[in-house]
Amino acid sequence: QVQLVESGGGVVQPGRSLRLSCAASGFMFNSFGMHWVRQAPGKGPEWVAGIWHDGSNTYYAESVRGRFTISRDNSNNTLYLQLKSLTAADTAVYYCVRPSSSTGGSFDPWGQGTLVTVSS
Amino acid sequence: VLTQPPSVSVAPGQTALITCGGTNFGSGGVHWYQQKPGQAPVLVVYDDSDRPSGIPERFSGSNSENTATLTIGRVEAGDEADYYCQVWETSGEHPNWVFGGGTRLTVL
Repeated sequence: QVQLVESGGGVVQPGRSLRLSCAASGFMFNSFGMHWVRQAPGKGPEWVAGIWHDGSNTYYAESVRGRFTISRDNSNNTLYLQLKSLTAADTAVYYCVRPSSSTGGSFDPWGQGTLVTVSS
Repeated sequence: VLTQPPSVSVAPGQTALITCGGTNFGSGGVHWYQQKPGQAPVLVVYDDSDRPSGIPERFSGSNSENTATLTIGRVEAGDEADYYCQVWETSGEHPNWVFGGGTRLTVL
């Protein structure tokens, strides 16, 4: 079955950096674009970044453009998100998500998430 | 911007209607997710009205005149959760995947 397992979250000070990873299995990873979606405590989900199946194109939400970098290693079926210049507003659970089988832009499945807490 | 009512309450066995208002749903339609406490969201309806495998037929969706609706028939206690609508915007300079603020479904 399709599995997405995130790691790398933790407590980090404002202004510091962090790298999240997502290990994918159960599907042809190099055939799918992939995304990161985050959810701040008590808030709705917020799309963060996306990357094409071959890594040739990337997209970012306005709130993270210039600070976050999405990348992938298709040889190891792994998705990454590099977070820089972190602020308290970046505190959230970060989910790795795969587009669903449709072409309408939905996400299915989601990983279990990894919590990033930005605090001094 | 996608607008959802903060909360909807319904008695067991009744029908719950959760709305999502927007001015630009894009060409991909509206998608709906269910999220229970401490869990990741789960897709329950995609492309306005299609259901992923494993989602009960009690969950259905519709989209008309800038308002999408998630309908949950014969509501059960296990349906109590937060529900989010989502669209894929492709008309701007950059593509954007947008979520609504969420609706808390309470089963009385």
